[in-house]
Amino acid sequence: DVKVTQSSRYLVKRTGEKVFLECVQDMDHENMFWYRQDPGLGLRLIYFSYDVKMKEKGDIPEGYSVSREKKERFSLILESASTNQTSMYLCASSFGPEGARGYTFGSGTRLTVV
Amino acid sequence: AQSVTQPDIHITVSEGASLELRCNYSYGATPYLFWYVQSPGQGLQLLLKYFSGDTLVQGIKGFEAEFKRSQSSFNLRKPSVHWSDAAEYFCAALGLTGGGNKLTFGTGTQLKVEL
Repeated sequence: DVKVTQSSRYLVKRTGEKVFLECVQDMDHENMFWYRQDPGLGLRLIYFSYDVKMKEKGDIPEGYSVSREKKERFSLILESASTNQTSMYLCASSFGPEGARGYTFGSGTRLTVV
Repeated sequence: AQSVTQPDIHITVSEGASLELRCNYSYGATPYLFWYVQSPGQGLQLLLKYFSGDTLVQGIKGFEAEFKRSQSSFNLRKPSVHWSDAAEYFCAALGLTGGGNKLTFGTGTQLKVEL
């Protein structure tokens, strides 16, 4: 069964810490995405990547960066965590130039910044 | 700007009753359209998708959706709801012009099923 795996289900970090959220997919998908999910706001796109070593900003990139050194791995980095980054983070991947076959999502990482 | 709207934040239905979840989109051209479901503590699972052709789309778990271009809508339906359908449902759109390969999501509809 194809999978998108997020390394942590729950994380608690302190304000100011540098935080790494890891995502790995085993489907050889070109495209990978990071969303954050907040009640009443749905899913909002933070960053995405169409290929190794490339990245593009989504709708809410401020306070985040990403890294994609290998095709299967896409990391989200919170340079200096703040309490307003407490959220559910979802990683997704898709195949092909348009991703029209749909996205496959990981189970999410619930991050709490204290 | 491209957007997806789900006007109902919460919906409660009785088990066995029919269900319709509303979704409207605002795009320059008809986008690809999707419905996802999220059970508590889980990621999102694709229910169905519409690209072109037949405007009534069948999905998994007995769900279907109807695309109506004149209303810019893509409503999700199920004839008879089961208690296990309680979850959050997201409508999403993928624009092919300017939007690139990015899904835009609605804010979600939380479905509660009364036994």
